Amino acid sequence: AQSVTQLDSQVPVFEEAPVELRCNYSSSVSVYLFWYVQYPNQGLQLLLKYLSGSTLVKGINGFEAEFNKSQTSFHLRKPSVHISDTAEYFCAVSGMNQGAQKLVFGQGTRLTINP
Amino acid sequence: ETGVTQTPRHLVMGMTNKKSLKCEQHLGHNAMYWYKQSAKKPLELMFVYNFKEQTENNSVPSRFSPECPNSSHLFLHLHTLQPEDSALYLCASSQEQGFGYTFGSGTRLTVV
Repeated sequence: AQSVTQLDSQVPVFEEAPVELRCNYSSSVSVYLFWYVQYPNQGLQLLLKYLSGSTLVKGINGFEAEFNKSQTSFHLRKPSVHISDTAEYFCAVSGMNQGAQKLVFGQGTRLTINP
Repeated sequence: ETGVTQTPRHLVMGMTNKKSLKCEQHLGHNAMYWYKQSAKKPLELMFVYNFKEQTENNSVPSRFSPECPNSSHLFLHLHTLQPEDSALYLCASSQEQGFGYTFGSGTRLTVV
């Protein structure tokens, strides 16, 4: 079984500042890793994913994440945030051994951008 | 438009009502899912369907009854709900392992 821990429930930052949202996972098998974003009153949208290969993954809206196997982490970063990045961000993991893939989600991190 | 359409977007129902949530995808995906999202709680997986067959029921109360007539449609039938069932219900679909989910916009359910 897999589990995900998002270390911060809320992250406030100023506009144009850098941000890092932290995610750690636990799994007994190799994993796929995902970050999703949820804007108010909407469903979740895929930001980026790690499947294999390069540990630095680039996604939409200028976000990137780095897979660190030794630290079992997949932290999300953006060098300069905008007001429009205000949303809830979810880290998710699935085991490579699963058929109909079952994503396990973290508790979410609410990112608030202040002007 | 995300490729996964959920209707209705909002639903208010009494505890004695019967209603259904609908989810539709035309992405050619094989698997479909129902999730419950409550305030201040993690996303809770409710049901998984793979090629129309239910492969997971995550100890969901029987007042929630899923139906998957084909790989493109998924329903969640609701009856005699409780106020604590008020939440955002999200449908998702996926294709191959590792591609991630495509989510619908959700149905905001309020039980009064």
